[in-house]
Amino acid sequence: GAGVSQSPSNKVTEKGKDVELRCDPISGHTALYWYRQRLGQGLEFLIYFQGNSAPDKSGLPSDRFSAERTGESVSTLTIQRTQQEDSAVYLCASSLYGGGPSEQFFGPGTRLTVL
Amino acid sequence: KQEVTQIPAALSVPEGENLVLNCSFTDSAIYNLQWFRQDPGKGLTSLLLIQSSQREQTSGRLNASLDKSSGRSTLYIAASQPGDSATYLCAGGGGNKLTFGTGTQLKVEL
Repeated sequence: GAGVSQSPSNKVTEKGKDVELRCDPISGHTALYWYRQRLGQGLEFLIYFQGNSAPDKSGLPSDRFSAERTGESVSTLTIQRTQQEDSAVYLCASSLYGGGPSEQFFGPGTRLTVL
Repeated sequence: KQEVTQIPAALSVPEGENLVLNCSFTDSAIYNLQWFRQDPGKGLTSLLLIQSSQREQTSGRLNASLDKSSGRSTLYIAASQPGDSATYLCAGGGGNKLTFGTGTQLKVEL
């Protein structure tokens, strides 16, 4: 597709369950990013991929959060044993190059609600 | 640690008015400054990207400036329209990530 896509668009889960969020970046973009936006707060950086490697995981809030990228394309963000404070919109972005001045393009996000 | 602040937090203007949104950042060692708009329930749309070596960028009715020495950027919207109503976010690009401000919520009234 022409832009960044994410699925699902909405996810409701029960506390303690695991969830997987998917991101399909723009074709040919080498860098991929995950951010989250909790209600009433700004966007927070979670993790950055260059190719299939994640040189910056500094924003992951706990070891319940993990992410992978395969084929220098699709990325999956996994949250284990979800907590209510994990409720947020999770946004994925991609850029042509990473680690520098490339413009980032964002997907529509996945709204996660943990009951 | 980079911190980004946006003023005002909210703004309501009549249609046709020219307006300025402000963004300040604490660390001048940024690669770029990116402006986005966010519509309710939707993702971010990139509006303008200013590289650290540039002073301004223009796209249609939008003009963004960057002054690294003072740690400021402004987004100028000319002849505002109701369709411009959205939240506007600025973000400083450094290293491997963008650091976002909390946004200015703009409402353009008929």
